[in-house]
Amino acid sequence: DAKTTQPPSMDCAEGRAANLPCNHSTISGNEYVYWYRQIHSQGPQYIIHGLKNNETNEMASLIITEDRKSSTLILPHATLRDTAVYYCIGKRGSNTGNQFYFGTGTSLTVIP
Amino acid sequence: NAGVTQTPKFQVLKTGQSMTLQCAQDMNHNSMYWYRQDPGMGLRLIYYSASEGTTDKGEVPNGYNVSRLNKREFSLRLESAAPSQTSVYFCASSSLTNSNQPQHFGDGTRLSIL
Repeated sequence: DAKTTQPPSMDCAEGRAANLPCNHSTISGNEYVYWYRQIHSQGPQYIIHGLKNNETNEMASLIITEDRKSSTLILPHATLRDTAVYYCIGKRGSNTGNQFYFGTGTSLTVIP
Repeated sequence: NAGVTQTPKFQVLKTGQSMTLQCAQDMNHNSMYWYRQDPGMGLRLIYYSASEGTTDKGEVPNGYNVSRLNKREFSLRLESAAPSQTSVYFCASSSLTNSNQPQHFGDGTRLSIL
């Protein structure tokens, strides 16, 4: 599974778009990029995932570069409730455990 | 629709005591997982169950046992608790182990062992 690199922390003003970057230069062709977040004392919450095309759902958008070496999670209108640790994970499906390696993520603080 | 439900939410044990952590999912998922999360570290897989009737070791299985009771339920047992097992335990489920579908997590059990 691909090693991912994220900045340890970021701030974002409430109401503005939060853009969270992730580098995954070793990602292979069949590995998806997943984003999760963990709000203090809660379990990880799935946000979005994608392979090569940009993806959008009700929570966020995922922009993956053409070479697939990096991606950006976009929260279009950040609210205080979006303050959390965000994890980018490079993963392919596997019948040997399908473990998600969460790493240390990016701590996003949304500022009023 | 509750998703993944874990019980209890908090527990304090003495060294040597035994305990079972319960997990149930209502999403008709085939695969279930147990992770632990320690301060400053990511989640580490303890055991998983690809489908009803099967279980396999993950990254850190020592000191734990699991039971896949039925399709909905997957329990984690500590036979003789040790202080090193103080952690937050998360249960997760997904539709298939070898698919690209995401895992969905419960809110965790916070376990302290004195």
